[in-house]
Amino acid sequence: DAGVTQSPTHLIKTRGQQVTLRCSPKSGHDTVSWYQQALGQGPQFIFQYYEEEERQRGNFPDRFSGHQFPNYSSELNVNALLLGDSALYLCASSLEASRVTEAFFGQGTRLTVV
Amino acid sequence: EDKVVQSPLSLVVHEGDTVTLNCSYEVTNFRSLLWYKQEKKAPTFLFMLTSSGIEKKSGRLSSILDKKELFSILNITATQTGDSAIYLCAAYWGADGLTFGKGTHLIIQP
Repeated sequence: DAGVTQSPTHLIKTRGQQVTLRCSPKSGHDTVSWYQQALGQGPQFIFQYYEEEERQRGNFPDRFSGHQFPNYSSELNVNALLLGDSALYLCASSLEASRVTEAFFGQGTRLTVV
Repeated sequence: EDKVVQSPLSLVVHEGDTVTLNCSYEVTNFRSLLWYKQEKKAPTFLFMLTSSGIEKKSGRLSSILDKKELFSILNITATQTGDSAIYLCAAYWGADGLTFGKGTHLIIQP
């Protein structure tokens, strides 16, 4: 049973560019959440997708957007990259029906903005 | 503003020692408290605590929640070098996002 998979694992972008990160949830899970983890900090909630809609959003600017596909996989897009966007981006999947908060995390995408 | 505060932020002990990690929270509509272990990238789930005063155990790890005083502790007994990691505490606030603390960086020396 594949767990949560994210791609790519590492990425280097230049300021002002746009980036797309991808996440496939654990088999059977229908809800995907995205988190940003800066160095030395805990993960910060960006947003959550369920039934292909953004259901809840953390304190992140509109430059951060996302999408969920019918197969429950998800993308995180960041426009107009800033140096401060450099971080580990984590995807977590869970099952909405049981309201399980035992979210399973992927290995993350390490984004470096130069 | 919701917040979760962990202490200490870093801790160095010797193998075999017992450690206690602390987590306090102020979260609107608190539902449960979760502990994760983060070794390299992916945080791995340890415990979810919903009820006050009920200890959860898994091998050498145990955790308890105090909903009156708004804190939780994670205990690790007979520590091993493999316990070295960042331990994250997160509060679930019912809107399906987790509010994390900064984590405790635990180093176990041989």
